[in-house]
Amino acid sequence: AQTVTQSQPEMSVQEAETVTLSCTYDTSESDYYLFWYKQPPSRQMILVIRQEAYKQQNATENRFSVNFQKAAKSFSLKISDSQLGDAAMYFCAYRRGAQGGSEKLVFGKGTKLTVNP
Amino acid sequence: DADVTQTPRNRITKTGKRIMLECSQTKGHDRMYWYRQDPGLGLRLIYYSFDVKDINKGEISDGYSVSRQAQAKFSLSLESAIPNQTALYFCATSDPGLADYSTDTQYFGPGTRLTVL
Repeated sequence: AQTVTQSQPEMSVQEAETVTLSCTYDTSESDYYLFWYKQPPSRQMILVIRQEAYKQQNATENRFSVNFQKAAKSFSLKISDSQLGDAAMYFCAYRRGAQGGSEKLVFGKGTKLTVNP
Repeated sequence: DADVTQTPRNRITKTGKRIMLECSQTKGHDRMYWYRQDPGLGLRLIYYSFDVKDINKGEISDGYSVSRQAQAKFSLSLESAIPNQTALYFCATSDPGLADYSTDTQYFGPGTRLTVL
């Protein structure tokens, strides 16, 4: 079974600084997708960024980027120029490719990010 | 207006009561999902539906049932609520037939906080 591990229950960063959240996963599949979701105090689950395993290029979305290391099964999220609004729980998630089992997102337990002014 | 809505947003009920949580979406997606979030455990899949006639159990379906009344509506029922069903419940949607085909990205509603006394 696939598992997702977020080893940092809590992280903090100074406003305008850069922070990296870690995620590792375990799978025997070659076709899969990885996601980072943000959950602010409003509880809404918001998609931050996604990565296709077959793509070597790391995904970026404005101030958010990932470091995808397929061989190491590592998928870290880097937040640059941190803003107060970035404070939230961040969840890493895995999904198998389209050949069955693709309905299920497997989530890590989350990392709580605090942004200090 | 939100693409995925959930009602109610908060609910307190008593052990043994029947509860229905509702989800509606205007994204035109075929696939809908119900997840449960418990503190420190991330999200876990309860049920999912790929179309009106296709409903499947997730990893923690015991004690729950669902109804897909239309493409846009997917309800979750607790026939006889118990205290360990106290949690945050999320509905999500996706559609591999649209622009997100390569990832079948799931988009989440705002969540329903359910407390069973």
